[in-house]
Amino acid sequence: DSGVTQTPKHLITATGQRVTLRCSPRSGDLSVYWYQQSLDQGLQFLIQYYNGEERAKGNILERFSAQQFPDLHSELNLSSLELGDSALYFCASSEAGLVSEELFFGEGSRLTVL
Amino acid sequence: AQSVTQLDSHVSVSEGTPVLLRCNYSSSYSPSLFWYVQHPNKGLQLLLKYTSAATLVKGINGFEAEFKKSETSFHLTKPSAHMSDAAEYFCVVSLFSWAGGADGLTFGKGTHLIIQP
Repeated sequence: DSGVTQTPKHLITATGQRVTLRCSPRSGDLSVYWYQQSLDQGLQFLIQYYNGEERAKGNILERFSAQQFPDLHSELNLSSLELGDSALYFCASSEAGLVSEELFFGEGSRLTVL
Repeated sequence: AQSVTQLDSHVSVSEGTPVLLRCNYSSSYSPSLFWYVQHPNKGLQLLLKYTSAATLVKGINGFEAEFKKSETSFHLTKPSAHMSDAAEYFCVVSLFSWAGGADGLTFGKGTHLIIQP
């Protein structure tokens, strides 16, 4: 158990809809990351937060947004969903967000868009 | 710019035989290098990491990797495979820089390790 909790584990929705994925980081970790994993693209970095502030952006679409709250949990919002958004979305956390740190991953939220 | 190439998408070995998963990287700076493992329906877990200390890095579950700067490689090995090693393995490179956090991480495409009984 990594200590990172993601909900929901599975989500099925229709095109055009909006969903919210939630992540609770490991106790004491200030940095949260979101990744998208799909068969064709592999593991893609979406966005990173550190102590409530956005630290870095990766290949995140404009239809997607995220935030980290004062209690350090994070939410990833996906809107105007398309079939191609079907993927496994991982949240990870680390202590201070440094490049040399270990990332602790949750078990992911599997999104299926029909 | 940095990139990482995992040379094999699938590797199949017999239980009890050695494992070799190959990884080459390119980085303009001194890299940090990692191997993560992903078991089915699970999140990724760190196996080991190299951050400019000893070039031979020992990780969990008997895995180790050797950083070879001249070959820009960071291959993962294990002397004797176990059935529980069947999983997806990711080689990861990051810039050793204060400019950003782990947003600098670049993941390889993964190597699927199959263990034959």
